[in-house]
Amino acid sequence: EPEVTQTPSHQVTQMGQEVILRCVPISNHLYFYWYRQILGQKVEFLVSFYNNEISEKSEIFDDQFSVERPDGSNFTLKIRSTKLEDSAMYFCASSLTQGASSTFFGQGTRLTVV
Amino acid sequence: GENVEQHPSTLSVQEGDSAVIKCTYSDSASNYFPWYKQELGKRPQLIIDIRSNVGEKKDQRIAVTLNKTAKHFSLHITETQPEDSAVYFCAAANQAGTALIFGKGTTLSVSS
Repeated sequence: EPEVTQTPSHQVTQMGQEVILRCVPISNHLYFYWYRQILGQKVEFLVSFYNNEISEKSEIFDDQFSVERPDGSNFTLKIRSTKLEDSAMYFCASSLTQGASSTFFGQGTRLTVV
Repeated sequence: GENVEQHPSTLSVQEGDSAVIKCTYSDSASNYFPWYKQELGKRPQLIIDIRSNVGEKKDQRIAVTLNKTAKHFSLHITETQPEDSAVYFCAAANQAGTALIFGKGTTLSVSS
């Protein structure tokens, strides 16, 4: 069964450093997303991406965040200058059709900012 | 924007009992409502979903009902088993269909 895959599974970084989280969405999916989940809390939407541009972004997705699809398979989330409060599990997700239907999540990258 | 409320936050049942989790949403334009199961330290897994043109959908022991007028939807799990123990999240797609807005989750514990 096709899966969304994410690397690394765990990333520890110093405050102020840049991090790049990587994702390979399901191959025939066209819509890509990043969500985050602070420990013990709900899943929060960050950004959606379609046709090489951002479709929607939340208030969390400020200027320190950016997304890119550098080639035909990868989808990345960059955090330019990490803060302690960026510590969370970051999930990449993808869906085949619009409307966010049948959105499948990756296994997550746990980001720890120290 | 869309807001999703979920109740209860925790639910404990005996094996074999039924479990019901309820969610309400705020945006009447929302038309897609998935439910995800998340086991500890793992990814959210889509277990069932419903569109606004349908009132009920069932898949084996799991069913979802939707009341568009009242803007609420519910997850029903029958004949619960210990392996059903997890956190369950409801979600609603925003009006543009570009994002899922999640509830705060329900921790279901099924004891044998």
